Amino acid sequence: GAGVSQSPSNKVTEKGKDVELRCDPISGHTALYWYRQSLGQGLEFLIYFQGNSAPDKSGLPSDRFSAERTGGSVSTLTIQRTQQEDSAVYLCASSPGTSITRQYFGPGTRLTVT
Amino acid sequence: DQQVKQNSPSLSVQEGRISILNCDYTNSMFDYFLWYKKYPAEGPTFLISISSIKDKNEDGRFTVFLNKSAKHLSLHIVPSQPGDSAVYFCAASIDQGAQKLVFGQGTRLTINP
Repeated sequence: GAGVSQSPSNKVTEKGKDVELRCDPISGHTALYWYRQSLGQGLEFLIYFQGNSAPDKSGLPSDRFSAERTGGSVSTLTIQRTQQEDSAVYLCASSPGTSITRQYFGPGTRLTVT
Repeated sequence: DQQVKQNSPSLSVQEGRISILNCDYTNSMFDYFLWYKKYPAEGPTFLISISSIKDKNEDGRFTVFLNKSAKHLSLHIVPSQPGDSAVYFCAASIDQGAQKLVFGQGTRLTINP
């Protein structure tokens, strides 16, 4: 496909379990971003990858959150020991370079922690 | 600390009329502003942007106005069409080359036939 894809589209998990969310960016895009949108809130920046540079992790809310990007392409966001406040839609975006004006978003993963 | 605020969670406008969506920001370092549009079950898509060196940018039916002294921007859609019904997010960054966007909470726009 031509766009950013994310999987799963929906995830329900029990409190305390670990979850992995996947993002496939647009081929050739060097930059990849993770955001989350909690109920009634705007999109909250989590982490940013650019090429082979060290990721900007400044938006990760706690050390239970981590992300990696393998081979400069696919990215996985991992949440350990999930809490109910982690329930949100997690959005991934990619862009072709350093400009933020063309961030292309995936459809998101809706995470529900029960 | 909500640096970008969209104080209207929803807006309803009649088809053919003008839709005006508002956004306020608090960080005077913000230098570049964007509007995104989001349909249900889809990711946001870029709509229009404006640099702080301008006070207006127009693209077809969409115009963004920036009032730096008031730290306020608005998106005007005219004429409004049913397909414009979506959630609109404004976003800001320190400059066009910056990597972090700060988003508002979104405004759900409904265009009534």
